[in-house]
Amino acid sequence: DSGVTQTPKHLITATGQRVTLRCSPRSGDLSVYWYQQSLDQGLQFLIQYYNGEERAKGNILERFSAQQFPDLHSELNLSSLELGDSALYFCASSGLLAGVADTQYFGPGTRLTVL
Amino acid sequence: GQNIDQPTEMTATEGAIVQINCTYQTSGFNGLFWYQQHAGEAPTFLSYNVLDGLEEKGRFSSFLSRSKGYSYLLLKELQMKDSASYLCAALYNQGGKLIFGQGTELSVKP
Repeated sequence: DSGVTQTPKHLITATGQRVTLRCSPRSGDLSVYWYQQSLDQGLQFLIQYYNGEERAKGNILERFSAQQFPDLHSELNLSSLELGDSALYFCASSGLLAGVADTQYFGPGTRLTVL
Repeated sequence: GQNIDQPTEMTATEGAIVQINCTYQTSGFNGLFWYQQHAGEAPTFLSYNVLDGLEEKGRFSSFLSRSKGYSYLLLKELQMKDSASYLCAALYNQGGKLIFGQGTELSVKP
């Protein structure tokens, strides 16, 4: 158990819908990261938050957005869903080691199926 | 770009040793991670190399050469449960953005 929690574990929805994925980081970690993993692709970095502020952005679609709240939990919002958005979505968290991002620990993931 | 290259798949025998190689682009590089991922599960942390050299942790060791943009993960005394995907990931520019390779699918045969 990494200490990172994600809900829900599974989500099945229809095209055009909007969903929210939730993540709680390990105790003491200020950074939260979101990744997408499709069947034929590796882990794709989406976005990073540090202590409530957006810190880095990857290949995140405009239909997707995220935020980190004062209690440090984070939500990833996916809207106007398409079949191709079906994937495993992972959240990870890390602390800082001498000012540099430390090891990222991953949550169990949310499996999103868009029908 | 910041391409990470590693072999797609490897096969080895129970009890043997296997080395999984990874190459990455060196510009802005800060450190190299290895993760293990079983199908449908979360990646789990194996090792983190910042400095050149070999880091040993039980049956698993990881090596880094910063000047060559090269790392490898060495797995000794292979067990069936080691069958998994092994992900190489490079940290760039201190901010935390990890770039992952596609993963190496390792099959351990009896």
